[in-house]
Amino acid sequence: QSVLTQPPSVSAAPGQKVTISCTGSSSNIGGYYVSWFQQLPGAAPKLLIYENDKRPSGIPDRFSGSKSGTSATLGITGLQTGDEAHYYCGTWNNSLTPRGVFGGGTKLTVL
Amino acid sequence: QVQLVESGGGVVQPGGTLRLSCAASGFTFSRFAMNWVRQAPGKGLEWVALIRYDGIYKYYAESVQGRFNISRDDAKNTVYLQMNSLRIEDTAVYYCAKCGSDWTTLDSWGQGTLVTVSS
Repeated sequence: QSVLTQPPSVSAAPGQKVTISCTGSSSNIGGYYVSWFQQLPGAAPKLLIYENDKRPSGIPDRFSGSKSGTSATLGITGLQTGDEAHYYCGTWNNSLTPRGVFGGGTKLTVL
Repeated sequence: QVQLVESGGGVVQPGGTLRLSCAASGFTFSRFAMNWVRQAPGKGLEWVALIRYDGIYKYYAESVQGRFNISRDDAKNTVYLQMNSLRIEDTAVYYCAKCGSDWTTLDSWGQGTLVTVSS
């Protein structure tokens, strides 16, 4: 059971838009920046969004992030077949010591 | 260009030990915190450990606290993960990940090294 909750799967047609939610608590999302990672089949995770809504260099503006309270959302517009991947949200949990936490991952299928 | 290359994975029996290494290049290694993150076969990501840029502060997941030790050698631009008392549930691909200038962001990842704990 992951600390952050994501839907197991989402799907949409090429060219459409999809959103992926990530729900946490005041101990994690509520107190820290949220990142989003893309993991293509057989590959390592790759940073997609950091500090809630910023894109690293090279990430197209089709990808966007937002955060409100204890939840965060990843949006992807103009879906492409190459976007089929697992997407993970991540942040930190303020326990006695900081600990990283991830969502369980969402499998995006582009129909 | 940031490059992180993990090594040291393999097959080990329950109760055994293994040391993973992550060689870094393309950035000033001594200025950044480093992490280990793992992924069990067919499962999601699990954060394992973080070491601050100065090596003074180290943080661990509850599942590995007391068994794993993260360390770094800035002269070799390398971060290590010493894994003791290994359990079957430690079987996973272990990724090395660099923190960004804000330590809360894991901005670069290696390709991973597979650790299999099996009798």
